Amino acid sequence: KQEVTQIPAALSVPEGENLVLNCSFTDSAIYNLQWFRQDPGKGLTSLLLIQSSQREQTSGRLNASLDKSSGRSTLYIAASQPGDSATYLCAVQNFNKFYFGSGTKLNVKP
Amino acid sequence: EAEVAQSPRYKITEKSQAVAFWCDPISGHATLYWYRQILGQGPELLVQFQDESVVDDSQLPKDRFSAERLKGVDSTLKIQPAELGDSAMYLCASQGGVSVSEQYFGPGTRLTVT
Repeated sequence: KQEVTQIPAALSVPEGENLVLNCSFTDSAIYNLQWFRQDPGKGLTSLLLIQSSQREQTSGRLNASLDKSSGRSTLYIAASQPGDSATYLCAVQNFNKFYFGSGTKLNVKP
Repeated sequence: EAEVAQSPRYKITEKSQAVAFWCDPISGHATLYWYRQILGQGPELLVQFQDESVVDDSQLPKDRFSAERLKGVDSTLKIQPAELGDSAMYLCASQGGVSVSEQYFGPGTRLTVT
């Protein structure tokens, strides 16, 4: 069974700092990997989707990379803002099933 | 922009009562997922539909949970009887259309069982 781990579980940084969130998975035979943002008490908002044949995707201040061989993905957030404070989850898709990590709770201090 | 709709947003029910959640996926999305998310954890799949057919319900507690998607569009998830341990966020997601691989989530239903 696919296991997805996100480290750290929580992260607090001052505004303006660049930061990296990590996601690791045990089975490299993935179809794709998706990063989500979740605000307290809300649903998940899709940030970036990386297909298994891709190595990275970018959207604004966000850049996600994928290294299938090592079972790792990173989400890079540039020039963090207080509005970036949320929980960030990664999900990997094996065939038709998605497996989620427990998330990294990010707090960006003004 | 098209969104996944869910209702109700919040539900408080007593132990042993029945409760139902509704989900309307993005139009044209053939795949629909129901997830349960406990606070501080990632979502866990309960059931997956492809059109009106169940693809995976291996993690659905079938003694008390049921799900249907009769016409391959909207879906209902039911719990009967509810137990204290069912308190969680219930999330619906859909997948399909132009961006076949991307999952889109609804706002969720926060269930509290007292």
